[in-house]
Amino acid sequence: GAGVSQSPRYKVAKRGQDVALRCDPISGHVSLFWYQQALGQGPEFLTYFQNEAQLDKSGLPSDRFFAERPEGSVSTLKIQRTQQEDSAVYLCASNLGFETQYFGPGTRLLVL
Amino acid sequence: DQQVKQNSPSLSVQEGRISILNCDYTNSMFDYFLWYKKYPAEGPTFLISISSIKDKNEDGRFTVFLNKSAKHLSLHIVPSQPGDSAVYFCAATNSGYALNFGKGTSLLVTP
Repeated sequence: GAGVSQSPRYKVAKRGQDVALRCDPISGHVSLFWYQQALGQGPEFLTYFQNEAQLDKSGLPSDRFFAERPEGSVSTLKIQRTQQEDSAVYLCASNLGFETQYFGPGTRLLVL
Repeated sequence: DQQVKQNSPSLSVQEGRISILNCDYTNSMFDYFLWYKKYPAEGPTFLISISSIKDKNEDGRFTVFLNKSAKHLSLHIVPSQPGDSAVYFCAATNSGYALNFGKGTSLLVTP
């Protein structure tokens, strides 16, 4: 079946712009995760949803980052007033609630 | 603070030989460990996992070994194939959801 999809795949933003990144999880997956991967680093946990409930947002770097999953399927990660340090690949993953997470291809964000 | 460490940024192995990728962790509460493989411009792909109640898990050419006393795990690939060339990430969790990743090891399998 279809895997996790993310859009856009690439996004260039000017510093100070707001961006919205979309994640479509695998159908039926109740859990959804966002990670940030800086160049040369491993992915770092940002936030976790179980259905529409955001159960952990401890990894969000600042209050400029906001994630939502209003109907328990598609999720959007929004970054307000982007800064150069926000440049990274943003990965979305989903699962049925067990340990193995299945990742999408990521959105590569470049803030100029 | 990096709780999962992959100290070898890169590894080169000849086709047909064994590849051994290593991973160390500092958090003794981690109870589930995973290996992911990543090709350029793609997301990480799940490879193999192991629970802390086991010390070995095997799946085809891939075997993961866990040494809890040393807080060390390793991934063995036998025999290595050119298509195995990728970046390999070790990950661990104690929460059941937030994965802690290492920085990755770039494996190159040469013909």
